Amino acid sequence: NAGVMQNPRHLVRRRGQEARLRCSPMKGHSHVYWYRQLPEEGLKFMVYLQKENIIDESGMPKERFSAEFPKEGPSILRIQQVVRGDSAAYFCASSPPGVSEAFFGQGTRLTVV
Amino acid sequence: KNQVEQSPQSLIILEGKNCTLQCNYTVSPFSNLRWYKQDTGRGPVSLTIMTFSENTKSNGRYTATLDADTKQSSLHITASQLSDSASYICVVTYGGATNKLIFGTGTLLAVQP
Repeated sequence: NAGVMQNPRHLVRRRGQEARLRCSPMKGHSHVYWYRQLPEEGLKFMVYLQKENIIDESGMPKERFSAEFPKEGPSILRIQQVVRGDSAAYFCASSPPGVSEAFFGQGTRLTVV
Repeated sequence: KNQVEQSPQSLIILEGKNCTLQCNYTVSPFSNLRWYKQDTGRGPVSLTIMTFSENTKSNGRYTATLDADTKQSSLHITASQLSDSASYICVVTYGGATNKLIFGTGTLLAVQP
C-alpha cells in the first residue's frame, strides 16, 4: 500500500503562470487535506475535501486558489496567476472515513520566479 | 483563538543525551494531540497520538505526555541518535466535522556526534 503520493516534488513557475499540484491519497482513504508551509512557519490548513465535495475551504485564499477531488483520479490544488508569495511547500494528507489520523505526502515545493 | 505554541524553537544536543520538547495549546474543543517528526524536505510522520484521557504514550525512544488541565504536552527523546535530527511538530485536533489540525511551528532538533 503506497503512501500518499504527491507530484511533482518540485515545481518552478514564472509569475502569472498556473500551478497544478496533484495528490493521490492512500488506498481506501476518501478524505484529503491540503496544507501550506511557508519558510520558517508551521503548516497551515487550506482545504478539506471528500470525493467530489469540498467540506471546508476556510483556509484557502479567496482568489486564484481552487481545489478538487474528483470521483476518479487525484486531488488537484490549482493556483492561477502565481505570485512570488505563493512560493511554499504544499502538503497533502489523507485519512479514511471516521478516522482522524492523517498521513502526509512528501510535499510539492513550489518556487515562483 | 486556536493556537499551538512550542518551545524551544531550536535545540542542539550531543548524541546519546536526552531532551524534552514542550507544547502549549489553546485549542477548544480538544479532540487529540499528536507529535510529528518532519525530516528536512519530507512530509510529517506521526510519532504519537493522545486523546483527552491519556497522560502518557511511548513509541520506542519517544515518550509523550499530556496534561489536559494545563493544556500542555511534552515529547521526551531518550538516548538521542543522529537520525533524530529533524523538526518535531505538535499538532492538536479540535472537534467538529472537519477534523482540522492546528500545527505548532515546531522545534528544530540537531543531534551532534
